[in-house]
Amino acid sequence: DVKVTQSSRYLVKRTGEKVFLECVQDMDHENMFWYRQDPGLGLRLIYFSYDVKMKEKGDIPEGYSVSREKKERFSLILESASTNQTSMYLCASRNPSTDTQYFGPGTRLTVL
Amino acid sequence: GENVEQHPSTLSVQEGDSAVIKCTYSDSASNYFPWYKQELGKRPQLIIDIRSNVGEKKDQRIAVTLNKTAKHFSLHITETQPEDSAVYFCAASITGNQFYFGTGTSLTVIP
Repeated sequence: DVKVTQSSRYLVKRTGEKVFLECVQDMDHENMFWYRQDPGLGLRLIYFSYDVKMKEKGDIPEGYSVSREKKERFSLILESASTNQTSMYLCASRNPSTDTQYFGPGTRLTVL
Repeated sequence: GENVEQHPSTLSVQEGDSAVIKCTYSDSASNYFPWYKQELGKRPQLIIDIRSNVGEKKDQRIAVTLNKTAKHFSLHITETQPEDSAVYFCAASITGNQFYFGTGTSLTVIP
């Protein structure tokens, strides 16, 4: 079974704080993704990575950065959190044989 | 980039009836179309997918149809059950590197 885990289920931060969200997968997948999920907007891609140290911007990268130092770990960084970044953040990895994405449980981030 | 539209945003059906959710996409190069189910408080999980070289795919009570000419694809759930209640997302992908999701359909199956 593919396992994708995220470092926190719930997180509360203050405006201006630096926030790290971590995602780990155990299936040696090369492709990993960060999405944010908001009601009525579906899942929107923030960044994705197709290999270690490789990253590509998604549709809404502003205010975010990512790090992929090891194949199994993909981190999302909010350099200076703002209230409009309050959201559910979902990480995923992709099976290259089937294209199936496997999602983590999500981190609900609240920025006060 | 690709734009995926999904309708309806909410859907209520009686148990045993069928449910249909429709998505359209804009980029004719898209060739992979998965559907995900997200139960309340849980992560999205793949329930069925279809590739552009296939017109229809079925898995028990779930089926997906694809019309490449019209650039739309649909999820069909027959004999709905209360446990089918969830949010369903369609998506389209060209390379497998980027996935474009619809805005989701909240399905309620009324016992």
